[in-house]
Amino acid sequence: GAGVSQTPSNKVTEKGKYVELRCDPISGHTALYWYRQSLGQGPEFLIYFQGTGAADDSGLPNDRFFAVRPEGSVSTLKIQRTERGDSAVYLCASSLGLSYNSPLHFGNGTRLTVT
Amino acid sequence: AQSVSQHNHHVILSEAASLELGCNYSYGGTVNLFWYVQYPGQHLQLLLKYFSGDPLVKGIKGFEAEFIKSKFSFNLRKPSVQWSDTAEYFCAVNAGSSNTGKLIFGQGTTLQVKP
Repeated sequence: GAGVSQTPSNKVTEKGKYVELRCDPISGHTALYWYRQSLGQGPEFLIYFQGTGAADDSGLPNDRFFAVRPEGSVSTLKIQRTERGDSAVYLCASSLGLSYNSPLHFGNGTRLTVT
Repeated sequence: AQSVSQHNHHVILSEAASLELGCNYSYGGTVNLFWYVQYPGQHLQLLLKYFSGDPLVKGIKGFEAEFIKSKFSFNLRKPSVQWSDTAEYFCAVNAGSSNTGKLIFGQGTTLQVKP
């Protein structure tokens, strides 16, 4: 079946610009997560949604980062006034629920490059 | 702060060699432990997980991991690697939270298996 889909797969933007990264989770998955993976590092938690609400946004690095999931399915990660340090692969994952029996299914990520 | 440490950053083995990748975490309470794998050009996928019970857990493709609470370790093993095991391996922990999707990842180990 279809997995987690992330678009675009690559995004190059200039410093100071605004970007949106999209995530389509697996149908029926209520939990959705955003992670960021910098070069040579493991994924770093940013935010997760249970349904439409952001249940935990403690990983967002600052107020330039914001994410929404208005209908409880597709999510958009928004980054304002991008900086070169924002360059990374942004990963989205979804799961059926929050229980320990709900493994994460990751997308292929969006590689963001800020020039 | 909670952290995960993977000691080997880059491992090179010949086919049929045995593999052990180290993983240590820092957290004194109950933990859920995971190993994820990312094959070249593919998304992160779950290799195995430990929640409770038998500390020796078996995953896909012949991998296993042993949870040693006294050593805060969750090392990954495989008796005989194959060329197709070439990938990046991430250890992850969910600590102090009922949400098993909010994970702390190690920085990863790149495994290269020579045919």
